[in-house]
Parts: sequence; structure tokens; C-alpha cells
Amino acid sequence: DTAVSQTPKYLVTQMGNDKSIKCEQNLGHDTMYWYKQDSKKFLKIMFSYNNKELIINETVPNRFSPKSPDKAHLNLHINSLELGDSAVYFCASSQELVQGNEKLFFGSGTQLSVL
Amino acid sequence: GQQLNQSPQSMFIQEGEDVSMNCTSSSIFNTWLWYKQDPGEGPVLLIALYKAGELTSNGRLTAQFGTTRKDSFLNISASIPSDVGIYFCAGQLNSGYSTLTFGKGTMLLVSP
Repeated sequence: DTAVSQTPKYLVTQMGNDKSIKCEQNLGHDTMYWYKQDSKKFLKIMFSYNNKELIINETVPNRFSPKSPDKAHLNLHINSLELGDSAVYFCASSQELVQGNEKLFFGSGTQLSVL
Repeated sequence: GQQLNQSPQSMFIQEGEDVSMNCTSSSIFNTWLWYKQDPGEGPVLLIALYKAGELTSNGRLTAQFGTTRKDSFLNISASIPSDVGIYFCAGQLNSGYSTLTFGKGTMLLVSP
């Protein structure tokens, strides 16, 4: 069983489209995240949710809207896609918000290509 | 924000060689971590360090939390082809809630 699973694995789309990436974790963790990895492999946090509540929004454009229907799911919707959005997006989870949040469990990533 | 300088950026070595990489910061961190990312996968936690001077091993991997709390080192002994990947250091500022700051990664290639 995959601990943190995200779909799709690959996403190729045209500029201006709207797309969603789904993430689910079966670890029973309270906290979930979205990270963006650019072409130089730099990992940067985008959002953090704890028990369905937004905790961190790291100056991400409004076109990115995370949604957490329950603590096991954190989806990412992106409106009006731009060329610069091309990257690998990782979902992650951690056990708690405070202690233990450094031990991140990552999904296998969604490679988004905007043409 | 905090920045981590990770070096080297990449390494190409022969199987059996030992590898060292390090991470330095302008800030003091309370926690240092090392993650490995295999091609096409997400990063996986290798070692977590919580005290200055701490030395922790995980198989052939050994990591140390620098005494100044501004650096950390990862050593891999007797490398094998499956060690190939990108190794990331990450630091956490507070024992309370704070996000991780990741280094830019060290890409390791191992020739059989």
C-alpha cells in the first residue's frame, strides 16, 4: 500500500487551462503539504494543512488553491496555468503539526508540463 | 528567509568509494535532516539529527549535526550503484512548529 499517493503522475496541458492534482495519505497523519520542485531540483513549500485547516501559504499565487476535504486528502487546483508553473509537485504528510513534523513522507510527484 | 548551502552540487564516483557531502547555514537550526530522492520518486528521510554534535548512522550512511548548529555532514561508505540519486539536507529552526528549509541537493552518480 502506498503511504502517500498522488495522481496523476504526469500532466501535460496548454497554457490557460485549469487542472487539479489529487493527494491521499493512509498514514493517519494530521498534517499535509504541497511542495514544488523546479527544474534545478530546488524544493520549496507551497502550502501546509493541519486537520483540514490551512496553516502555511508561502506567497503562492492565487491561481493555486488547495482543498482538504478531510485530513487524509489534500488536493491542489491550479487555474489559468502559465509556462512557469511547469515543475514537479510533491504532496507530503507528517504525523503532527508540532513535534514530528520534520519527518515528511512524500508522494512520488506529479510532473506538470505547461505548453 | 533561511538559506542552506549544500555542496558539492554533484559527484561522479566509482563503486566502492566513500562519499562526503555537507550543508551550511547562516542560521542556527535545531534539527538537521538528510533525505534521498531516487529518480522519478519523492524524497525519503534517511537520517534525522536533533542535538549539536550528534552522530547517527543508518547502514552505510553516517550523518553529523555540527557543533555550531549551522552545519551538517553526510558520509556514505563503500558506495554501490543504488546509492545514485539526489541527497538533500534540510534544517528546521524551532522545536515548535516551523517548516523545513531544504538545501539545493547533491546529485550522486555511481559507476559500477
